[in-house]
Amino acid sequence: AQSVTQLDSHVSVSEGTPVLLRCNYSSSYSPSLFWYVQHPNKGLQLLLKYTSAATLVKGINGFEAEFKKSETSFHLTKPSAHMSDAAEYFCVVSDLRGGADGLTFGKGTHLIIQP
Amino acid sequence: DAGITQSPRYKITETGRQVTLMCHQTWSHSYMFWYRQDLGHGLRLIYYSAAADITDKGEVPDGYVVSRSKTENFPLTLESATRSQTSVYFCASRDRDTEAFFGQGTRLTVV
Repeated sequence: AQSVTQLDSHVSVSEGTPVLLRCNYSSSYSPSLFWYVQHPNKGLQLLLKYTSAATLVKGINGFEAEFKKSETSFHLTKPSAHMSDAAEYFCVVSDLRGGADGLTFGKGTHLIIQP
Repeated sequence: DAGITQSPRYKITETGRQVTLMCHQTWSHSYMFWYRQDLGHGLRLIYYSAAADITDKGEVPDGYVVSRSKTENFPLTLESATRSQTSVYFCASRDRDTEAFFGQGTRLTVV
């Protein structure tokens, strides 16, 4: 079985300061990991993905994440927050070899950007 | 246009009525999924399909029915809607070991 824990339900940062959204996972196999963003009343958009290539993954809008197997973590970072980054962020683990039951979502982190 | 589309975007229905939410994808992805999103629960998997005519239950399947007679379509039916099924429903598709692509969602209110 696989699971995802997003360690913060809400994160508030000031515009221009760094963003850190934390995610820990568990998986019986070598997983694929994703971060999605959801703006209000919108669908989910892929930010970035890790699929066993480079452990530091760069995504859209200046976001990046580092896969750390020893820590079972996949934290999302951005050097400088923009107001447009305010949204809900989901960390997702996928391991189809463990059963074709799709993606397992974390419960989400609500990112608030203070002006 | 290529992509994944859901219809309707908004639906209000009465308790006990049957409702079908539609999902259509143009990529010929093997896998399709239905999730519901509720405050405090994140996204929960209702049903998924690995190919045409192959479907399986997810985490919260009770009260829902799916079918997949064609690869590109994956309708979700609420046989007898209840207030607890008021939610935002997302359809997604993917191929094996790739990211999932999501529709814009259907906001369903059961009154």
